[in-house]
Amino acid sequence: EIVLTQSPATLSLSPGERATLSCRASQSVSSYLAWYQQKPGQAPRLLIYDASNRATGIPARFSGSGSGTDFTLTISSLEPEDFAVYYCQQRSNWPTFGPGTKVDIK
Amino acid sequence: EVQLVESGGGLVQPGGSLRLSCAASGFTFSSYAMHWVRQAPGKGLEYVSAISSNGGSTYYANSVKGRFTISRDNSKNTLYLQMGSLRAEDMAVYYCARLSRGWYDYWGQGTLVTVSS
Repeated sequence: EIVLTQSPATLSLSPGERATLSCRASQSVSSYLAWYQQKPGQAPRLLIYDASNRATGIPARFSGSGSGTDFTLTISSLEPEDFAVYYCQQRSNWPTFGPGTKVDIK
Repeated sequence: EVQLVESGGGLVQPGGSLRLSCAASGFTFSSYAMHWVRQAPGKGLEYVSAISSNGGSTYYANSVKGRFTISRDNSKNTLYLQMGSLRAEDMAVYYCARLSRGWYDYWGQGTLVTVSS
């Protein structure tokens, strides 16, 4: 099983700041990595797929990078609606998710 | 508009059974593989089961293999998850999700399964 590790567990930032979230895989997943956003009481929403492609309707302030075992989700300038939990997911074998990074308001 | 609506959750005793349904609309259901993903209270996301577009292939997480059965009825645009021998650790919100190009592009709102005596 491929294990995903996310850091930090919590990121405390102010609106307008830049957020950098990390996801590391226990073995290479090539570019088969996605990022999801989840707000309280809601289902996850696909943000980024294949490591760097924005899903339909996702604002340009969200970007993804990386390949192999190290991946990054960057939110260039945090909007109030971006405070949420972010999960990475790989699909090299069966799907597995990281434990999540909570982005909260400082 | 793509919609996925789960139902069938509720309170069940340990060892009991429950069948979840996911009604799909707004897309050609028979063209997509579908998955169930769950989330225990306050925890992260866990893949549970998957089924191919025509229902011919099914897959399960080790944690539910032999206890859960995924199926679909493409004539009714509905996905199912039959859950048996339920345990406390199965308690979670269960989401159905559409798989597109290998990723979950649409999710339902989830249905809560509570396992307790």
